[in-house]
Amino acid sequence: QKEVEQDPGPLSVPEGAIVSLNCTYSNSAFQYFMWYRQYSRKGPELLMYTYSSGNKEDGRFTAQVDKSSKYISLFIRDSQPSDSATYLCAMSEYSSASKIIFGSGTRLSIRP
Amino acid sequence: ETGVTQSPTHLIKTRGQQVTLRCSSQSGHNTVSWYQQALGQGPQFIFQYYREEENGRGNFPPRFSGLQFPNYSSELNVNALELDDSALYLCASSPAGTSVLETQYFGPGTRLLVL
Repeated sequence: QKEVEQDPGPLSVPEGAIVSLNCTYSNSAFQYFMWYRQYSRKGPELLMYTYSSGNKEDGRFTAQVDKSSKYISLFIRDSQPSDSATYLCAMSEYSSASKIIFGSGTRLSIRP
Repeated sequence: ETGVTQSPTHLIKTRGQQVTLRCSSQSGHNTVSWYQQALGQGPQFIFQYYREEENGRGNFPPRFSGLQFPNYSSELNVNALELDDSALYLCASSPAGTSVLETQYFGPGTRLLVL
């Protein structure tokens, strides 16, 4: 079993829909949770960073962490075609990158 | 744009050869991390350099080595290339005095194909 599981998709939704992306994990020691967006032929771009449990909102994006269920989510409101990309969750026990574990990514396509 | 550049963009090598990949970060970014991203997978941490010293390493063999230079550039060297080394290699830099996980800026990557 992988430490971090992420549905690879692809996920296709119409423009304007609410998108829900999820990851589950097995290591209860994870404290730092990130979501990255990766466009084709580009490096990942950090979207959301959360420490411990709870919700965090930034514009159209909301990140949720449920440590009791070992489950994290990213919600995208009013989705746009420009949101079409691969979304990677990532998590770590420590604030150092040396222990960061990425999910395999979910491909998202927003239909105009 | 993140201000992180990588060269070359693409590279083809044969098994057993050696390769050097380069990364240039923004001024003041004194932490650089290197990742390997296989097709359809998330990035895997290779190692991290801080002020020209390696200060963290993932589960990669010693034939993966690196250097960081005072001018905020860095290198990833891979010796004795294997077919499984085919991947996108990413570098990410972080500004001084910040949490790396909060402030990693990735370059576009170098796609390496080993035949």
